Amino acid sequence: DAGITQSPRHKVTETGTPVTLRCHQTENHRYMYWYRQDPGHGLRLIHYSYGVKDTDKGEVSDGYSVSRSKTEDFLLTLESATSSQTSVYFCAISEEVNTEAFFGQGTRLTVV
Amino acid sequence: EDQVTQSPEALRLQEGESSSLNCSYTVSGLRGLFWYRQDPGKGPEFLFTLYSAGEEKEKERLKATLTKKESFLHITAPKPEDSATYLCAATGANSKLTFGKGITLSVRP
Repeated sequence: DAGITQSPRHKVTETGTPVTLRCHQTENHRYMYWYRQDPGHGLRLIHYSYGVKDTDKGEVSDGYSVSRSKTEDFLLTLESATSSQTSVYFCAISEEVNTEAFFGQGTRLTVV
Repeated sequence: EDQVTQSPEALRLQEGESSSLNCSYTVSGLRGLFWYRQDPGKGPEFLFTLYSAGEEKEKERLKATLTKKESFLHITAPKPEDSATYLCAATGANSKLTFGKGITLSVRP
């Protein structure tokens, strides 16, 4: 299995609070991605990174920010959590843009 | 904007009944077409990468093919353990990995 770890695995938080999810890799892959997965929508890209301090928006980036200060860590922050951000969040890594991505186990986030 | 569409949404097969899953894509400057399998409560697991029209990849009962507009995942003589959600994804010139909504496959014994 690819060395990719998401933390926490489960989290319940209150509306309006900031939340940070962490993705850590030991593969030294260049690309890292954050997705959310919801019934009826599939996997939707939130943000991705193509190198340290190099990030870009995906299709559902509103309300989310990311940071990548080291190759191995990619952080996803919900600036002020809302109930619509209740979802399962997946981190993925890939060596290059045209190679396969490997996924973490996911973080189940509930905003109450 | 890149789009990936999978059909049907769900498929129920009898064990041994072969079938195909469809993935249509509209991607500018295709760099790679990927198939994944996802089991409930887990992250997607990589199956195949295809890069150019005419390419085929095979693994056990699964074979993936690619044309300029579609990809197919052919399942030959499926078993109940092949039951899962199958995801198609594509990367284009914008470097974004875009997924379809997935096809839920159920194989009855």
